[in-house]
Amino acid sequence: ILNVEQSPQSLHVQEGDSTNFTCSFPSSNFYALHWYRWETAKSPEALFVMTLNGDEKKKGRISATLNTKEGYSYLYIKGSQPEDSATYLCAFSSNDYKLSFGAGTTVTVRA
Amino acid sequence: DAGVIQSPRHEVTEMGQEVTLRCKPISGHNSLFWYRQTMMRGLELLIYFNNNVPIDDSGMPEDRFSAKMPNASFSTLKIQPSEPRDSAVYFCASTVGGLDEQFFGPGTRLTVL
Repeated sequence: ILNVEQSPQSLHVQEGDSTNFTCSFPSSNFYALHWYRWETAKSPEALFVMTLNGDEKKKGRISATLNTKEGYSYLYIKGSQPEDSATYLCAFSSNDYKLSFGAGTTVTVRA
Repeated sequence: DAGVIQSPRHEVTEMGQEVTLRCKPISGHNSLFWYRQTMMRGLELLIYFNNNVPIDDSGMPEDRFSAKMPNASFSTLKIQPSEPRDSAVYFCASTVGGLDEQFFGPGTRLTVL
């Protein structure tokens, strides 16, 4: 079992504020790092798939960075909106098809 | 495309009964995954198929669990006999290639009494 850790476990942010949170993963045998967004009562939806050290990806107000050498990725939400409220999962893969998911960071945006 | 389709959405059964969960992946996707989500263990991979062939079933918890993919458009996950600790949400996901983004179905919420 690969140790993928996400922190914090949960956070509350005021509407309009920006926030970020972390995914840490083994730095050896890196193949890919995925970010998924999971809204309550729905299924996970892919945000980003990142493979290269130094990768930065952006989708609207959400962006992510990747450091494979030190084994971490940050997800940023700029100008949080209530619809950003969800659990954000990262998943790590080492040279094969298998994704090991973290426990997620649950974001609650207060209006 | 309708996305990944799972049925049933909810299943309530009694301990000892056989349970069959079904999944239809997105057309053209070559890889299919079955996951189980619980509060204690989060999202766990149970089994992975590539081109209808089971590649890795090391995540299947016990012999009571079995999965098949008879063709590219259908997969089943069977639990026989079911136990209360099998209660969880079971997700099916598909992808074009092994490590591309995965598309998840809506899940089946299983309750074993």
